[in-house]
Parts: sequence; structure tokens; C-alpha cells
Amino acid sequence: DQQVKQNSPSLSVQEGRISILNCDYTNSMFDYFLWYKKYPAEGPTFLISISSIKDKNEDGRFTVFLNKSAKHLSLHIVPSQPGDSAVYFCAASANTGNQFYFGTGTSLTVIP
Amino acid sequence: EAGVAQSPRYKIIEKRQSVAFWCNPISGHATLYWYQQILGQGPKLLIQFQNNGVVDDSQLPKDRFSAERLKGVDSTLKIQPAKLEDSAVYLCASSSSPRQYFGPGTRLTVT
Repeated sequence: DQQVKQNSPSLSVQEGRISILNCDYTNSMFDYFLWYKKYPAEGPTFLISISSIKDKNEDGRFTVFLNKSAKHLSLHIVPSQPGDSAVYFCAASANTGNQFYFGTGTSLTVIP
Repeated sequence: EAGVAQSPRYKIIEKRQSVAFWCNPISGHATLYWYQQILGQGPKLLIQFQNNGVVDDSQLPKDRFSAERLKGVDSTLKIQPAKLEDSAVYLCASSSSPRQYFGPGTRLTVT
């Protein structure tokens, strides 16, 4: 049972444009969400997080939006850079410290 | 700050053989996780330790997988005997907050 879903396996974007990566979840108890970035042959690295008390969190070029009623979150990267090309995973947990459930990932390619 | 260390980075074994993976978390991190990531899927939690106690091992196939965390620091994950479907990347992560720090992973190929 996939509780966190990333329905787009891949995304291609021109350099300088906006990248929007989407994530949906089914468990209404999830209250903490993270985005990870993964390069080949490396472990995932933390990118940005958001708790359910917020609907937006921003860190430089990265912004995460949370829509609790729709059980949907998205990651916006503006402007996109070639170095952003990687696989992006969203993850969710109910009560921080508990198990995180990961999506299947979206492979982003930023075209120079 | 040193990151999460894992070894080996790659391992190829035949089915029914045994294999062990090692993880050294970030110093001071009380929580340690082992994940299995099959190609094309997201990481799936196998076991979570808090210090040297098990918090969650509900998805660990206990008939063949075992894990321990010695003195609340290093951890080993063992598979005995391995099956073809165990081919995956095994990721170790540690945390002292909700944010997890991942190691580079061990890629296991079972032939």
C-alpha cells in the first residue's frame, strides 16, 4: 500500500524555468513532510521540509507548498539549474520521529 | 561534520549466501534507520533503532534479515540466506531530529 505517491516518474525543464514536482499522500495522520534529492551512487540528501501547521516553506530557490485538504504537496525550484538534475523523493511521517514513508521519486532533468 | 558511513559500497553474492552491511552514524545521533531501496522505488524502512533499542522492525523479513546496533552507535544488517529479490540498495540513515541524514548506501546484487 503506497501511502506516498509521486505520479510523474520524470520531468524535463529548461534552465532558468520553474520546476514543479508533485507528491500526493493518503494518510491524513501525516503531519511532517520532507523532500530529498538523490544523485546517482549517493544517498538521498535533505532538501527542505514542512510541518502540517504551515502551508508554505521557502529556502532560497526551493519552496514547498502543502495543501492538507487535498493531501498534496509540491516542490517548486526557481530558477532551475543543470545541477538540480537528480531524483527527488518526497517523504511523510505521522508524529515526527516515527517511520517515514517515501514516494517512488521523480527524475528531474534540467536542460541547459 | 562527518557523514553517515557505510561499507561495503558494492557486494555481489549468489543466492543462499550470507551478507552483512555496516553503518556508522553521525556522532551523537540517537536514531538509526536501515532502508531497502529496490530499483525504481522509494526507500522502504526495514528497521529503526533508538540508541540500541528497536523502535520499529515491522517490515523486516525476520526469517532472513537481522540487525543489531552495538552500544547505540554502529549497526550491522545481515541477510542469511539471500534471495534474488534482495537485490537492492541498502541505505543507512541517522537523525537527532526529524531530519534524516543518509549514507551512500550499499548496492547488493544477488545472482
